[in-house]
Amino acid sequence: DGGITQSPKYLFRKEGQNVTLSCEQNLNHDAMYWYRQDPGQGLRLIYYSQIVNDFQKGDIAEGYSVSREKKESFPLTVTSAQKNPTAFYLCASVVGARAFFGQGTRLTVV
Amino acid sequence: AQSVAQPEDQVNVAEGNPLTVKCTYSVSGNPYLFWYVQYPNRGLQFLLKYITGDNLVKGSYGFEAEFNKSQTSFHLKKPSALVSDSALYFCAVRVPNNAGNMLTFGGGTRLMVKP
Repeated sequence: DGGITQSPKYLFRKEGQNVTLSCEQNLNHDAMYWYRQDPGQGLRLIYYSQIVNDFQKGDIAEGYSVSREKKESFPLTVTSAQKNPTAFYLCASVVGARAFFGQGTRLTVV
Repeated sequence: AQSVAQPEDQVNVAEGNPLTVKCTYSVSGNPYLFWYVQYPNRGLQFLLKYITGDNLVKGSYGFEAEFNKSQTSFHLKKPSALVSDSALYFCAVRVPNNAGNMLTFGGGTRLMVKP
């Protein structure tokens, strides 16, 4: 969907490294979300933020961290504490009854 | 808590035939219901939503979905499938004013349309 930009598209991480996934939106939406998608599974919520400088844990927040210093940006850091980080990560913003998704970042541990 | 079930991991249909992708939900309150489609290594694209009103909702690419409150279902349908419809489909639910306005997704159903 237009308006949500995730980068990079592909990311490789070595064991023990922290990596940060970028999510930027120009839709002026207050609410932003990070989801993780594994093969054969649906989307699971990692973190969400409803306003700047505030964020809440989702269902699988362990091993992840986020910040929301600007309305446009909601970066996700995958820390070394995340034991199985290889997955497809999707960022979304929500306004009203509709969610808009970025194109995703595929993270692989090497 | 809200939840969504998509009972079929995969649906196979021949091109030109009608297709149905099933979705049932469980919420407290009146739900907002959504269908999204995902192509390989891409984000989710919005297909359609039900908020209120007519139980039959029409969306993008000729898809439609029927909200059935008594059966708590929101099945996705299309009268005539195309090969290009082959993708991963997600049903999602949200309860208005819930904490975080979170969307809860089903596990996804892979649609395979064969020529």
